[in-house]
Amino acid sequence: EAGVAQSPRYKIIEKRQSVAFWCNPISGHATLYWYQQILGQGPKLLIQFQNNGVVDDSQLPKDRFSAERLKGVDSTLKIQPAKLEDSAVYLCASSLVKFTGELFFGEGSRLTVL
Amino acid sequence: DAKTTQPNSMESNEEEPVHLPCNHSTISGTDYIHWYRQLPSQGPEYVIHGLTSNVNNRMASLAIAEDRKSSTLILHRATLRDAAVYYCILRDQETSGSRLTFGEGTQLTVNP
Repeated sequence: EAGVAQSPRYKIIEKRQSVAFWCNPISGHATLYWYQQILGQGPKLLIQFQNNGVVDDSQLPKDRFSAERLKGVDSTLKIQPAKLEDSAVYLCASSLVKFTGELFFGEGSRLTVL
Repeated sequence: DAKTTQPNSMESNEEEPVHLPCNHSTISGTDYIHWYRQLPSQGPEYVIHGLTSNVNNRMASLAIAEDRKSSTLILHRATLRDAAVYYCILRDQETSGSRLTFGEGTQLTVNP
C-alpha cells in the first residue's frame, strides 16, 4: 500500500517569497492534516480537512498561510509571503474518517527561509 | 487537551527492554493515550494506543496505571532502529476528534 506522498522534500527560499507544498494522502483516507514541525519541537497541527471541507484551522496563520483540498484527495499548502520563522518541516498526514487511532504521516517537506 | 510529561531523553542498550514513562495526572475519562515515534528525517509513525486496559501489538506494549494518571511504553527488546523521539499524546475523543497534539517527546538513544 502506497504511503502519504509529499513534495518537494526540500525547498530553500528567501523571505517574502512564496512556496507551495503538495500532499497526496493514502487512497481512501478522507481526512487530511497539515502539521508544522520546527526544529527541536513536536509537530503542531495547522489545518485538518475532511473530504474537501475544513474541520479545524484554528492554528493556521491565515494572513500568510493557505491550504486547499479541492477534489477531496490531494492538498496544497501555500505560504505567501514567507518569514524567517516559517523555516520548518511541513508534514502531511491522513486517516480514515472513522478514526482508528492511527495517523499516517508523509516524510515531510523541509523549508528553509533565508 | 490534557497535558503529558515525559523525560527529555533516555538511553538503553541493544537487545534489552526499554520502559518509556509518561505522566498525565489531569487525564479525563474520555482521553485515549497514544504513542507515536519519529525516526530521524521521517514523519511520526503510530506505535500503540489505549484507553484503560493494557495493550500489546507487534511493536510494543502499553501499560496503563490503574488510576490512569501515568502510562509506560514498553519496547521488549530494543534495536538500533528503535532510536527515535517517542511522543505520548492524550486525545479526548469527545472534544478533539482525531486531532493529536504533540509535545516534545523523549529522545531514546540505543547503544550497541
